[in-house]
Amino acid sequence: GENVEQHPSTLSVQEGDSAVIKCTYSDSASNYFPWYKQELGKGPQLIIDIRSNVGEKKDQRIAVTLNKTAKHFSLHITETQPEDSAVYFCAAVLNGKLTFGQGTILTVHP
Amino acid sequence: SAVISQKPSRDICQRGTSLTIQCQVDSQVTMMFWYRQQPGQSLTLIATANQGSEATYESGFVIDKFPISRPNLTFSTLTVSNMSPEDSSIYLCSVALSGRGVGQPQHFGDGTRLSIL
Repeated sequence: GENVEQHPSTLSVQEGDSAVIKCTYSDSASNYFPWYKQELGKGPQLIIDIRSNVGEKKDQRIAVTLNKTAKHFSLHITETQPEDSAVYFCAAVLNGKLTFGQGTILTVHP
Repeated sequence: SAVISQKPSRDICQRGTSLTIQCQVDSQVTMMFWYRQQPGQSLTLIATANQGSEATYESGFVIDKFPISRPNLTFSTLTVSNMSPEDSSIYLCSVALSGRGVGQPQHFGDGTRLSIL
């Protein structure tokens, strides 16, 4: 069936390094790709999103890139800080519903 | 954005009982959704709560088990009926602030953490 694959499942970096999380999707008709950050005990927080008519979007230390041909999109976090530590989820609209990846546990070590 | 409040934030229930979860938004929204997040897992859409009509359920979820109400544009409830330990999960409400269709930004409440004994 239609799904979203997310990699890696865990990612550990040193403070100040960059972190990259990648997702692939199966439905070529997908046109909306949000990223969420979920901290312990909290609901997912929308941090950035991109639509299929755009190849890249940036918001301060966070950027998302989209390759429609290859059906994959990535989250890039630069100059990571300990407060970036959380679970990150990508998502895509598949079959008329928002479908989430499996999540990436990001740990930023001071 | 909007402030999305869910009640209760957590509960421990006995098997066979039912629990109603409330989702309140501080502004009118076009679309409201209910998700389930099993421990350490991703989010799965249960249903779309439609204002003034029956909810639209996803495959694997049925109205008898998860009845949903949405009496107005700021409030919805999800009931988890006849609970079993397999229903232990986080239940999340989300809203789309504008537009129609699922290709709109969704914002989540902090969820209800439900444990069934």
